[in-house]
Amino acid sequence: SQTIHQWPATLVQPVGSPLSLECTVEGTSNPNLYWYRQAAGRGLQLLFYSVGIGQISSEVPQNLSASRPQDRQFILSSKKLLLSDSGFYLCAWRPGTGEAFFGQGTRLTVV
Amino acid sequence: ILNVEQSPQSLHVQEGDSTNFTCSFPSSNFYALHWYRWETAKSPEALFVMTLNGDEKKKGRISATLNTKEGYSYLYIKGSQPEDSATYLCAPPRNTGFQKLVFGTGTRLLVSP
Repeated sequence: SQTIHQWPATLVQPVGSPLSLECTVEGTSNPNLYWYRQAAGRGLQLLFYSVGIGQISSEVPQNLSASRPQDRQFILSSKKLLLSDSGFYLCAWRPGTGEAFFGQGTRLTVV
Repeated sequence: ILNVEQSPQSLHVQEGDSTNFTCSFPSSNFYALHWYRWETAKSPEALFVMTLNGDEKKKGRISATLNTKEGYSYLYIKGSQPEDSATYLCAPPRNTGFQKLVFGTGTRLLVSP
């Protein structure tokens, strides 16, 4: 069966520090991969999605970047965090066009 | 920009009440419509993926209908229970770029015992 791993679960980082969140999927190949963020009091915003290795679509101009170095690995990064980067980050995968399956999320607090 | 609207933004009902909410989306270029339930401190989970105009799906006390011509879907909960409290999200991937999954702002449902 397929599983998705996302870590860490919580993170407190100072302003200006770098960020790296990792997401891996097991039990499937060539999944579509997604990064979402929920900022305080807001909805679930699509940040990036990827349909294959090295293929990244960015949805919102921001202080973040994403990479897909392997088929089942999706990384969200920042060189210098801002206070506004705080939020709940979710990774998800889809087997082509079907329903999405989400990781457990990372609660990021930038202080 | 994909304009996905969900209404109401929030809803507070009593246990046993039936309720419904709406997802509105552009009818052009329709591909599918997803409904998800997102409980606090958990990850969103899929309820339904709907593709056909007039489609109606049911899972326990929850059902959904789809009108692709006018661009809306209704989600119904019959006899709401406190465990139904969650945010309900819809997402309509489009025919061009169906890999992209953009969610509406959601309807936050609170069911009081």
